[in-house]
Amino acid sequence: GNSVTQMEGPVTLSEEAFLTINCTYTATGYPSLFWYVQYPGEGLQLLLKATKADDKGSNKGFEATYRKETTSFHLEKGSVQVSDSAVYFCALIDNDYKLSFGAGTTVTVRA
Amino acid sequence: NAGVTQTPKFRILKIGQSMTLQCTQDMNHNYMYWYRQDPGMGLKLIYYSVGAGITDKGEVPNGYNVSRSTTEDFPLRLELAAPSQTSVYFCASSPFTPDEQYFGPGTRLTVT
Repeated sequence: GNSVTQMEGPVTLSEEAFLTINCTYTATGYPSLFWYVQYPGEGLQLLLKATKADDKGSNKGFEATYRKETTSFHLEKGSVQVSDSAVYFCALIDNDYKLSFGAGTTVTVRA
Repeated sequence: NAGVTQTPKFRILKIGQSMTLQCTQDMNHNYMYWYRQDPGMGLKLIYYSVGAGITDKGEVPNGYNVSRSTTEDFPLRLELAAPSQTSVYFCASSPFTPDEQYFGPGTRLTVT
């Protein structure tokens, strides 16, 4: 079956620090990969996506590259802000057309 | 557009009680979903629907029921609440494929 494994949190950073959240996956087919973000008290929002190998998704300064050879989709941001404090979820859709989520990583950015 | 709305925001149930979690979307999306989010576990799919009149089970359907009589509404029914159903419930929708999903703000349910 499909599964997503992401690094455990919580992660605490200072403003302007570099953020990386690791995500690896197992899938039977050729999945599309996603990062969703959940701000405090809100539902999840799509942050970025990539639909095939070597694609790079980007949004709001965040980037992630679909690496088929390492089955990874790590999320990065070069300079975080306090407003980036949230829970980040890696997810995939495979041939069954259902989203499979990782456990989520809580990120706190301190001023 | 309001997007995806859910009611109530919070609810406490006693064991054995029933309730319906409401979900409405105003984006004319075909696909709708119910997830539960347990601490440290990510989201698990309970039920989903690909259009009015069509529903199907997800990963964790036991103890829940759904209906989809209109495009806009997708209520989730708990018939006999159990402590294991204490969770945060999210409704979501997507237009033509499950690709990009839009989530509601969630309902926090406690069963004691």
